[in-house]
Amino acid sequence: NAGVTQTPKFQVLKTGQSMTLQCAQDMNHEYMSWYRQDPGMGLRLIHYSVGAGITDQGEVPNGYNVSRSTTEDFPLRLLSAAPSQTSVYFCASSLAFGNTIYFGEGSWLTVV
Amino acid sequence: EDQVTQSPEALRLQEGESSSLNCSYTVSGLRGLFWYRQDPGKGPEFLFTLYSAGEEKEKERLKATLTKKESFLHITAPKPEDSATYLCAVQTLTQGGSEKLVFGKGTKLTVNP
Repeated sequence: NAGVTQTPKFQVLKTGQSMTLQCAQDMNHEYMSWYRQDPGMGLRLIHYSVGAGITDQGEVPNGYNVSRSTTEDFPLRLLSAAPSQTSVYFCASSLAFGNTIYFGEGSWLTVV
Repeated sequence: EDQVTQSPEALRLQEGESSSLNCSYTVSGLRGLFWYRQDPGKGPEFLFTLYSAGEEKEKERLKATLTKKESFLHITAPKPEDSATYLCAVQTLTQGGSEKLVFGKGTKLTVNP
C-alpha cells in the first residue's frame, strides 16, 4: 500500500519558471490537501479538495493553482515561481475532513 | 484569531528520563486535536486524535491528554528512537462554518543514550 506519493522529491527552479508538484493517493480518500512547511512556522494550508471536481483555497493560496480531476490525483501548480515559494511541500489525504490525515514524504523546492 | 502554541520549542532528555510536551490552543470551537511525529526529511506521521476534555490515549511510551485549554504528550522512559519533532494540530470551525486545521510549530525532542 503506497499511501500518499509525491514527486519530485527535490526541485530547483529559477524565478519565473512554472512547475507542477504531483500527488497521488491509493486509499480512495475524498479529502486531499497541500501544505507548505517553513522554518519556525507551522504547516500552512495552501489548497484543499473535498472530492473530485471540487477545490478551495486555504490559508496561503497566492501563486498556486490546483485541480482535482480524479479522486486519486491532486497536483499543485506554481505558475511563476518566486523565491518566497522556497519551502517544503506536503500533500495529505484523509477519508474526510477531521479523520486521520496521511502525509506524503514531502517535496523540497528551491527557487533561485 | 485561532492559535496553537507548542512548548518547549526544543527538549533534550536522557534515555529513561520522562517528560511532557505541551500544546495550548485558543480556538473558537474545538472539533479535535491531533498529535503527529515528524522525522527529519519525512512527512508527519499520525499518533493520536483527542476529541473532548478528559480524554486520554496511549501508544507504547506515549500518552496524550486533553483539557479545555491544552493537551500534553507525556513520554515515559524515552529511548533514542523517540527523537523527532512532535506536532500538534487543532481542528476548528471558521466563521463561515467550514472546518480548518491549525498546526503548532512543533517541539523538537532529542533523547540521548
